[in-house]
Amino acid sequence: AQSVTQLDSHVSVSEGTPVLLRCNYSSSYSPSLFWYVQHPNKGLQLLLKYTSAATLVKGINGFEAEFKKSETSFHLTKPSAHMSDAAEYFCVVTSFSDQTGANNLFFGTGTRLTVIP
Amino acid sequence: DAGITQSPRYKITETGRQVTLMCHQTWSHSYMFWYRQDLGHGLRLIYYSAAADITDKGEVPDGYVVSRSKTENFPLTLESATRSQTSVYFCASSEGLAGVEQYFGPGTRLTVT
Repeated sequence: AQSVTQLDSHVSVSEGTPVLLRCNYSSSYSPSLFWYVQHPNKGLQLLLKYTSAATLVKGINGFEAEFKKSETSFHLTKPSAHMSDAAEYFCVVTSFSDQTGANNLFFGTGTRLTVIP
Repeated sequence: DAGITQSPRYKITETGRQVTLMCHQTWSHSYMFWYRQDLGHGLRLIYYSAAADITDKGEVPDGYVVSRSKTENFPLTLESATRSQTSVYFCASSEGLAGVEQYFGPGTRLTVT
């Protein structure tokens, strides 16, 4: 079965300090992993994605994430937080089963990032 | 303008009424999706469609009906709305499913009284 767990529902950091948003996944098949960001009263926007190429993925706005198969993790990081980074972040796992022909798509419950001036 | 649009953006309806939420995309993407977003649950997939006239259930399909007669439109109908269907609904589209970015609409906030 596929699932994704975001380990923190809320993260608070000071402006200029590093950001770490944690995501663990469970997948029986080779997964694709995404991070999306949602600013207040807006739709979701793709930050970055992993699709079995390089394990360190760089995204927009200085974010990056590392796929660690041994730890089943896909944590999102940024070296220095900016006020505009305050938003809700969602980790997503998708996978296709050749055996069952089923496509699976799961969102994490989200992590709200607060940036303190 | 190109993109994905949803209408209405806000809707208040009464329990038992039928409600249809509209979704339109201009990219000719094959896949379209409906999600609901609730506190503590993140986004949950209601239905998705791989092409015109092809739809499949997601994680929480009960109480919802979809259709897709044209590639660009993917309406979601609540046949008899319940209070538990009060939520924010997002439509999305993509060129595929696994490993492909989804593009999201702005959302519809639905309140069932």
